Amino acid sequence: KAGVTQTPRYLIKTRGQQVTLSCSPISGHRSVSWYQQTPGQGLQFLFEYFSETQRNKGNFPGRFSGRQFSNSRSEMNVSTLELGDSALYLCASSFAEVTDTQYFGPGTRLTVL
Amino acid sequence: AQSVTQLGSHVSVSEGALVLLRCNYSSSVPPYLFWYVQYPNQGLQLLLKYTSAATLVKGINGFEAEFKKSETSFHLTKPSAHMSDAAEYFCAVSEGENNNDMRFGAGTRLTVKP
Repeated sequence: KAGVTQTPRYLIKTRGQQVTLSCSPISGHRSVSWYQQTPGQGLQFLFEYFSETQRNKGNFPGRFSGRQFSNSRSEMNVSTLELGDSALYLCASSFAEVTDTQYFGPGTRLTVL
Repeated sequence: AQSVTQLGSHVSVSEGALVLLRCNYSSSVPPYLFWYVQYPNQGLQLLLKYTSAATLVKGINGFEAEFKKSETSFHLTKPSAHMSDAAEYFCAVSEGENNNDMRFGAGTRLTVKP
């Protein structure tokens, strides 16, 4: 069974631009969560989607948004990029709940210049 | 909201020595607790999880953790460290359906000396 895939793996953007990251969960998994990992703040929960609905959201500004498609693939979008948005963005999928075993993708490394 | 605190951002042990990584949690309901490992330039891999069954949880790669409600702790141990155990370890907590997200600790970097 293929693992969680994230595209692109690396991305360089400039301040003010917007970016879209993609996550394909493991086949059969319906819950997709997104996390931001930085040296200063560690791993922080962004949001979680299940059956195309956002079930929970972390404490991030509205510039961070996401969506999930009917095939469970998910995208997250960051608008008006700031330098502080430079981070590793991790996607994780699980069968139905975050308390089910979550499988993480390798992440997308975003650098904002 | 739930939270975890990992005591010690860096732990160094000799190969063959006991590994002990500390995690304390805060939760308003019986928690789900997890330990993940992250190797450089990779995502996270689940080591083990506690879901209110046995308090001693055995995971992969010889790791185990004990849930102690009275101490609100979920420390990770391994009897004998191997060089391949060098990585960053994260403790995480979720309140499950009450709050369907996961909160991670700051992480502990484990170094294994030959």
